[in-house]
Amino acid sequence: GAVVSQHPSRVICKSGTSVKIECRSLDFQATTMFWYRQFPKQSLMLMATSNEGSKATYEQGVEKDKFLINHASLTLSTLTVTSAHPEDSSFYICSARESGAGRDEQYFGPGTRLTVT
Amino acid sequence: RKEVEQDPGPFNVPEGATVAFNCTYSNSASQSFFWYRQDCRKEPKLLMSVYSSGNEDGRFTAQLNRASQYISLLIRDSKLSDSATYLCVVLHNAGNMLTFGGGTRLMVKP
Repeated sequence: GAVVSQHPSRVICKSGTSVKIECRSLDFQATTMFWYRQFPKQSLMLMATSNEGSKATYEQGVEKDKFLINHASLTLSTLTVTSAHPEDSSFYICSARESGAGRDEQYFGPGTRLTVT
Repeated sequence: RKEVEQDPGPFNVPEGATVAFNCTYSNSASQSFFWYRQDCRKEPKLLMSVYSSGNEDGRFTAQLNRASQYISLLIRDSKLSDSATYLCVVLHNAGNMLTFGGGTRLMVKP
């Protein structure tokens, strides 16, 4: 099946710094990618929808200036957490939508665990 | 009220038991429904889609009741490897966005 990768898988950073997370679709083109966040013992919450070549659509309550999303190509979307704070520590998961030729499915990346100290 | 609600559990069952999970959704315009499985600290993986007529995949049976906005998952002959969190997921076709329930934790004991 289709594969989605994320990098890094784990990152520890200091408060106030920025962290970039990459999401790649490895064997298909994804016009749409989604970014989720999952706090411990909670479910995934959609943060934003990333569309190739256009601005991301953010869910209510998600600060677009803090969580910068860039979907520069059909296989890569990046999420940058700017001026990270300890409360941003979470598990960030992306998913990529494969559509066309009779297919319309979403595949999840393995996630990135961010710890802000 | 959450869009997708599940009993968080945990459900502690012995090997071989049959266990059922329930899920309700609030948006009557929801079009597609899924059960995902998530192991600790891993990404969710699709377990099965849920169809109106009900569907079965080995030991797993999913049911959908659109009138009651209710989805269920039945696991027969539980295995130790079934221990995980099971997420009820609803798809809104507009924007193709998935909405996740809070998950139900299953622990199968020897």
